[in-house]
Amino acid sequence: DGGITQSPKYLFRKEGQNVTLSCEQNLNHDAMYWYRQDPGQGLRLIYYSQIVNDFQKGDIAEGYSVSREKKESFPLTVTSAQKNPTAFYLCASSSGGGGEQFFGPGTRLTVL
Amino acid sequence: GQNIDQPTEMTATEGAIVQINCTYQTSGFNGLFWYQQHAGEAPTFLSYNVLDGLEEKGRFSSFLSRSKGYSYLLLKELQMKDSASYLCAVRNQAGTALIFGKGTTLSVSS
Repeated sequence: DGGITQSPKYLFRKEGQNVTLSCEQNLNHDAMYWYRQDPGQGLRLIYYSQIVNDFQKGDIAEGYSVSREKKESFPLTVTSAQKNPTAFYLCASSSGGGGEQFFGPGTRLTVL
Repeated sequence: GQNIDQPTEMTATEGAIVQINCTYQTSGFNGLFWYQQHAGEAPTFLSYNVLDGLEEKGRFSSFLSRSKGYSYLLLKELQMKDSASYLCAVRNQAGTALIFGKGTTLSVSS
């Protein structure tokens, strides 16, 4: 079955540690996205990539980094520079840059 | 700047009809999406409008007026499982990403 996978579903880290969230898709989509969701804030765009080896900052990129070495994979690293990293992180992909986005199940990150 | 407004919360009863409004102010417009999101789960696509008018899909319909910067999602014959957040999203001017509103949490009671 085609889809998007994110792992793990729940992640706990100590303050000051970097952590990498996984996102893999087998939909053959060119574009991939990372969003952060906080209560009452909706989805806010962190980074997006329209093609392999290229990515752009979204609205809240500070304290995050990404890579896009393969079409299928778009990992997100939450660095220690991110002031308030505890949140629900959603990865998505689409066949075109602004088309219908398909979402993964999300990773809930808690920084202690 | 870009701004998308939706009501924060709405309540309705089973079997009723509810309309969730979305207004947007964006520097360009390339289409509007509605997503449904149950608590703790991923958003799922409901509808897409790029031209003015009504798009119907089963119990759900979505309307767009580009001149007014306005859309609504209409849910008919409400069921308990329709209790969820409904997200309005506008494609950015460059056509490269979606800008989401904060979502409307709908509670359906029996």
